[in-house]
Amino acid sequence: AQSVAQPEDQVNVAEGNPLTVKCTYSVSGNPYLFWYVQYPNRGLQFLLKYITGDNLVKGSYGFEAEFNKSQTSFHLKKPSALVSDSALYFCAVRDGRGYQKVTFGIGTKLQVIP
Amino acid sequence: ETGVTQTPRHLVMGMTNKKSLKCEQHLGHNAMYWYKQSAKKPLELMFVYSLEERVENNSVPSRFSPECPNSSHLFLHLHTLQPEDSALYLCASSQDRYSSYEQYFGPGTRLTVT
Repeated sequence: AQSVAQPEDQVNVAEGNPLTVKCTYSVSGNPYLFWYVQYPNRGLQFLLKYITGDNLVKGSYGFEAEFNKSQTSFHLKKPSALVSDSALYFCAVRDGRGYQKVTFGIGTKLQVIP
Repeated sequence: ETGVTQTPRHLVMGMTNKKSLKCEQHLGHNAMYWYKQSAKKPLELMFVYSLEERVENNSVPSRFSPECPNSSHLFLHLHTLQPEDSALYLCASSQDRYSSYEQYFGPGTRLTVT
């Protein structure tokens, strides 16, 4: 069985400061990892993914994430937070073997304070 | 815009009503999905269609009935719903369901069952 955990319900960060949203996962095979963002009254929007290769993945809007196999983590990061980054962030994992459905975390609310 | 549209955006229905949710994707994708999003819970995958064939049904009550007439359109027919079915219903699509492709989500239909 695969699972994903987002240990923080909410993360508060001051505008201009670096931000980190945490995600850990569990899969039997090689993980495919995804980050999505959801703004109010909108659907989820894809930010970035790790499939294979370089552990540091860069995505939309200046976000990046680092795949750490030993810690089974895939934390989302941004060097300088913007107020417009305030939203709900979802980590998701899929087992890379054959067809497996995607499992989403419960989401972390990011609040960037002006 | 993600290339996935959903109508209506908001729906209020009584427990004895019949209504349908519509989803359309303009991305040329082969897989389409219905998800249920409730507060403080992970996204619940309801149905998966691949090349217009239903390939997954995750123990969803029969009061939810999906239909995929072609690869661009997906419907969710609703009848005799319960108040606990009130949620945001999200449609998504992806290139196919077997690979590392990310999903593209519509804005969702906010359903309230009275």
